[in-house]
Amino acid sequence: EAGVTQFPSHSVIEKGQTVTLRCDPISGHDNLYWYRRVMGKEIKFLLHFVKESKQDESGMPNNRFLAERTGGTYSTLKVQPAELEDSGVYFCASSQATGEFADGYTFGSGTRLTVV
Amino acid sequence: QQPVQSPQAVILREGEDAVINCSSSKALYSVHWYRQKHGEAPVFLMILLKGGEQKGHEKISASFNEKKQQSSLYLTASQLSYSGTYFCGTYYGQNFVFGPGTRLSVLP
Repeated sequence: EAGVTQFPSHSVIEKGQTVTLRCDPISGHDNLYWYRRVMGKEIKFLLHFVKESKQDESGMPNNRFLAERTGGTYSTLKVQPAELEDSGVYFCASSQATGEFADGYTFGSGTRLTVV
Repeated sequence: QQPVQSPQAVILREGEDAVINCSSSKALYSVHWYRQKHGEAPVFLMILLKGGEQKGHEKISASFNEKKQQSSLYLTASQLSYSGTYFCGTYYGQNFVFGPGTRLSVLP
């Protein structure tokens, strides 16, 4: 079974530019999550999709971040315009179930975003 | 809201044991444990659902206390490959939230 795939693996952009990150979850996983880890700190929740619907986007830092999951398959996370503090590693994870039925999330390898 | 982990960091020699704790002021629905090596994705280790539960994964095991407010991860006879950052995670409402992480370094 293919795992969670993210690309690009690395992205270096200038402040003010736009970047779009993509995540392909494991096929059949309705739940898709975006997380961010900044400078070796904790992994922060960004948002959670159930199929194509945003279940919770309370972790999105501000309106420069836009996530979509059209068709309930892959998801994109767009940062526009990017700021220096957006640098970090963005992880995507997917799971078949959630809550008490969750059997653990499978994470992608992450996209390391550097804004200069 | 976020679970609390301790210690923040630990350095071991190969073969030594370690315990990492994860706690919350409220009873937890479940506790997940993940390990992340530098530059890699977090990898799921195990999930505990029931108070008093204990689970093992090779030489890594975990427990969930009866009140479901604390979980401990036990690393026995540590190997170099155990180095990384260990995160516990749990649900607060609908959100799955990670603890701040414990950085484990195993030296030869």
